[in-house]
Amino acid sequence: AQTVTQSQPEMSVQEAETVTLSCTYDTSESDYYLFWYKQPPSRQMILVIRQEAYKQQNATENRFSVNFQKAAKSFSLKISDSQLGDAAMYFCAYRSPNTGNQFYFGTGTSLTVIP
Amino acid sequence: ETGVTQSPTHLIKTRGQQVTLRCSSQSGHNTVSWYQQALGQGPQFIFQYYREEENGRGNFPPRFSGLQFPNYSSELNVNALELDDSALYLCASSLVESYNEQFFGPGTRLTVL
Repeated sequence: AQTVTQSQPEMSVQEAETVTLSCTYDTSESDYYLFWYKQPPSRQMILVIRQEAYKQQNATENRFSVNFQKAAKSFSLKISDSQLGDAAMYFCAYRSPNTGNQFYFGTGTSLTVIP
Repeated sequence: ETGVTQSPTHLIKTRGQQVTLRCSSQSGHNTVSWYQQALGQGPQFIFQYYREEENGRGNFPPRFSGLQFPNYSSELNVNALELDDSALYLCASSLVESYNEQFFGPGTRLTVL
């Protein structure tokens, strides 16, 4: 089974600064999808950003961008101009088209935004 | 368009009991997935239902079972509860044509004493 590792249980950032959350994964497949999900204290998971492995260009969604290094099996999330509302648990996730519907999640990184 | 809803919000059971959790999918979504999120962990895939049949299962024993109804709402049933079943249970709905577009509910917090 694929594994997803988030080595930073907790991170903090000053408001308006930039923070990078790390994620690595283990797979033997060449085609797959990677995700970052945000889980605020209210618990509802929200998709932040998605990356298709066959795309070389890093995905960007407003203040959120990723650094996808396929050879290194690394998928980090950069949050620019951090806002208080960014405080949440962030989960990295992997999905293979071969297993269709099964997502594999990391253990999460708790992000604190300091005013 | 309504989002994914789950009920109840919280539930307390004792070991050995049975529990049923409910999920209402986002309007138009035909698949539902269930996840178990233990404290301090990421969600783990339990199973998914499409067209009222299970079409994918994670590493969970048979005492975890589910149903999907014609209106795409879903139930997760857990028999013979164990202390380790204490967790947040999340459901997520999507279209079978687009698994990447999963929408999660707020979850049900189950405590087994």
